[in-house]
Amino acid sequence: AQSVAQPEDQVNVAEGNPLTVKCTYSVSGNPYLFWYVQYPNRGLQFLLKYITGDNLVKGSYGFEAEFNKSQTSFHLKKPSALVSDSALYFCAVGMNRDDKIIFGKGTRLHILP
Amino acid sequence: DVKVTQSSRYLVKRTGEKVFLECVQDMDHENMFWYRQDPGLGLRLIYFSYDVKMKEKGDIPEGYSVSREKKERFSLILESASTNQTSMYLCASSRNPPTGELFFGEGSRLTVL
Repeated sequence: AQSVAQPEDQVNVAEGNPLTVKCTYSVSGNPYLFWYVQYPNRGLQFLLKYITGDNLVKGSYGFEAEFNKSQTSFHLKKPSALVSDSALYFCAVGMNRDDKIIFGKGTRLHILP
Repeated sequence: DVKVTQSSRYLVKRTGEKVFLECVQDMDHENMFWYRQDPGLGLRLIYFSYDVKMKEKGDIPEGYSVSREKKERFSLILESASTNQTSMYLCASSRNPPTGELFFGEGSRLTVL
């Protein structure tokens, strides 16, 4: 069975500093990996995905994520954090491209002015 | 602008009541999903549907049922609400062929007293 883990409940970063939100996964085959963001009182929004190809994936709002097969990780990164990046971030994994996606528990990102 | 609309943002119901949560999408998507979101547990898949009149159980279907009579509408039904069903419910849709990109509604926060 597939699963995804986000080891940090909360991450605090000063504005302008680089940020990383961690994600590890477990699947029996080749994973399809995703990041979603949830702003306060809103539904989730798609940020980026890895299906195949280049291990570094670029997404919306300047975010990127690096797929590392040997470490089974898919960490979300941004070179310079903005206060407006404060939100709840979910890592997710899918198989077989059937859109039955399993979500992690979420990491709350606080960007401090 | 593409949209997934959940009819009720906030509901308060009593134990034992029948509850209907409605979701409508205007993107002509084939696939629709119901998740519940709880702090510390992330999103958990309740039911999903890949076609009209078709439904499949997700990871936590107990106590829930669904209806998909039209392509654009996917309803979640709580036959007899219980306090442990107090949660945020999120509806999502996606197109075929699946890409992993789900479009979410803003959520329905249900409180069962």
